[in-house]
Amino acid sequence: AQSVTQLDSQVPVFEEAPVELRCNYSSSVSVYLFWYVQYPNQGLQLLLKYLSGSTLVKGINGFEAEFNKSQTSFHLRKPSVHISDTAEYFCAVTPNSGGYQKVTFGIGTKLQVIP
Amino acid sequence: NAGVTQTPKFRVLKTGQSMTLLCAQDMNHEYMYWYRQDPGMGLRLIHYSVGEGTTAKGEVPDGYNVSRLKKQNFLLGLESAAPSQTSVYFCASSSLFPGQLGEKLFFGSGTQLSVL
Repeated sequence: AQSVTQLDSQVPVFEEAPVELRCNYSSSVSVYLFWYVQYPNQGLQLLLKYLSGSTLVKGINGFEAEFNKSQTSFHLRKPSVHISDTAEYFCAVTPNSGGYQKVTFGIGTKLQVIP
Repeated sequence: NAGVTQTPKFRVLKTGQSMTLLCAQDMNHEYMYWYRQDPGMGLRLIHYSVGEGTTAKGEVPDGYNVSRLKKQNFLLGLESAAPSQTSVYFCASSSLFPGQLGEKLFFGSGTQLSVL
């Protein structure tokens, strides 16, 4: 069994400030990790994913995440946020064998960018 | 590029009524999924399909049925709707496994269902 914990349900941040959205996971096997973004009234879109190799993963829209195996974390960061980054962000985990049917999603973090 | 299309976008049902949600994808994907999204609970998998003519149960299948008669379509049915099924429903599709470079889930824009 696996689980995902997103520690903050809402994160307000001023425009052009940096942001970090936290994600911790637990699993008894090796995993793949994902961050998805959901804009209002839309489906989820993949921001980035970690499969293996370099622990720093760069995604779309200037986001990046760092995989920390010892702390079982996969925090999402952006050095300078824009109003258009206002959305809900979901962390997800899956065993590194099998398909998407084994993906577990976190409960989401709402990022509110303040002008 | 249409991607994944869900119909309808909104629906209100009375308890006990039935309905079918349609998901269509034009990317020739083998795998399709139905999720429900509830506040404070993230996305939960209802049913999925690994190919035409196949379906399987996900995490929360009770009260739902699915069919995949054509590769491009994945239908989600509620035979007797209950207020607990009030939710936002998302369909998704994929071509390969998550570990493939460049591979990702493609989501539809969702169906807001209210059961009174």
